[in-house]
Amino acid sequence: GDSVTQTEGLVTLTEGLPVMLNCTYQTIYSNAFLFWYVHYLNESPWLLLRSSTDNKRTEHQGFHATLHKSSSSFHLQKSSAQLSDSALYYCALSDRGSALGRLHFGAGTQLIVIP
Amino acid sequence: GPKVLQIPSHQIIDMGQMVTLNCDPVSNHLYFYWYKQILGQQMEFLVNFYNGKVMEKSKLFKDQFSVERPDGSYFTLKIQPTALEDSAVYFCASSAGTDNQAPLFGEGTRLSVL
Repeated sequence: GDSVTQTEGLVTLTEGLPVMLNCTYQTIYSNAFLFWYVHYLNESPWLLLRSSTDNKRTEHQGFHATLHKSSSSFHLQKSSAQLSDSALYYCALSDRGSALGRLHFGAGTQLIVIP
Repeated sequence: GPKVLQIPSHQIIDMGQMVTLNCDPVSNHLYFYWYKQILGQQMEFLVNFYNGKVMEKSKLFKDQFSVERPDGSYFTLKIQPTALEDSAVYFCASSAGTDNQAPLFGEGTRLSVL
């Protein structure tokens, strides 16, 4: 079945350094929708980025990610970390190539940005 | 912006009791979802619901679980009877249904079964 892997459980960075959170996925469907959600404690997980077409970069609030079907990846990047970026980040894959289906979440990566 | 509201934020009940978790989805959304997150684990899909019917459910959606949205009111998740392993945070989500739109999530209801 479809699945998502986030290899880092915890990433600790100094403010100003670049961010890269890994996300790889498995699906048998050619039409993959990937998402990055941000989850602050006691708030709703909210959508940070969604994938576009293969090899196309999508950007929002300083973060960017590119869907690479060749490597089944959708890594999240930012050029310079800010203290306010500290949160839990989930990568998610939409089931069976449709955004209407269930989302398969990765285990999440806790990002901590320190001064 | 639009929000999915979940009521209550925390519910504590005794094992074997019935519980209903309420979700007020975004008003023009058509697809509704419940996800379950046990402490320290990833969020997992329970069920999705469209046009008054369950479209798909996972193996976590036990026979004791049911969902409904009577007359366009709250989208509810009922557990009857509850078990200790039902303790988790339950997230409701809704979506307008366009093909590439991700669901909008609520803040979750923390259910503690004692």
